[in-house]
Amino acid sequence: DIQMTQSPSSVSASVGDRVTITCRASQPINTWLAWYQHKPGKAPKLLIYAASRLQSGIPSRFSGSGSGTHFTLTISSLQPEDFATYFCQQGQFFPWTFGQGTKMEI
Amino acid sequence: LQLVESGGGLVRPGGSLRLSCAASQFTFNAYNMHWVRQVPGQGPLWLSRIDADGFDTNSADIVRGRFTISRDNAKSTLYLQMNSLRVEDSAVYFCARESLGLFGAIDYWGLGTLVIVSS
Repeated sequence: DIQMTQSPSSVSASVGDRVTITCRASQPINTWLAWYQHKPGKAPKLLIYAASRLQSGIPSRFSGSGSGTHFTLTISSLQPEDFATYFCQQGQFFPWTFGQGTKMEI
Repeated sequence: LQLVESGGGLVRPGGSLRLSCAASQFTFNAYNMHWVRQVPGQGPLWLSRIDADGFDTNSADIVRGRFTISRDNAKSTLYLQMNSLRVEDSAVYFCARESLGLFGAIDYWGLGTLVIVSS
């Protein structure tokens, strides 16, 4: 199985900060990488797919980059509603696998 | 668009549960569907996927032979039959829709249903 390793596991940031989360795959996955945002009690939300494509309706402050084994999610200017947990997921090979999550805290 | 899971609850080790996911406001039979579970504080764990027609499935080793994914396109409903449940199967179980196109992503998730396996 492909292991997805996220870093950091948590990050403390302030409104307006630029924040970058990293996700590494244990083997190359081209650009078959998605990023999700999850808030307690809510359904996870797709932010980025195919490593860099912004899902419809997602604010442009979210961006993704990378290919192969190294990927990043950047939030250019944190907003209060962005405090949540973020996780990456590879979808090239079954079983699909997720990172362990990055908790964004104030 | 809605994905509403049901069927979770408390079950003893070795028992069975059948989860359902009622889909609405989209063409259910056009989409591959998935089950994913998550223990609070941990990353999600992908369990199983079924193609749009219901003919092809994939499952994680951890549940293969115990859990069976199926769907009824006439009822716009996805199922997960879970047998031989273990304490470690306790989690929130999410129904999820795969995005169209070859992107390997999930574009919509349900709110989840809680399964607790305990004696």
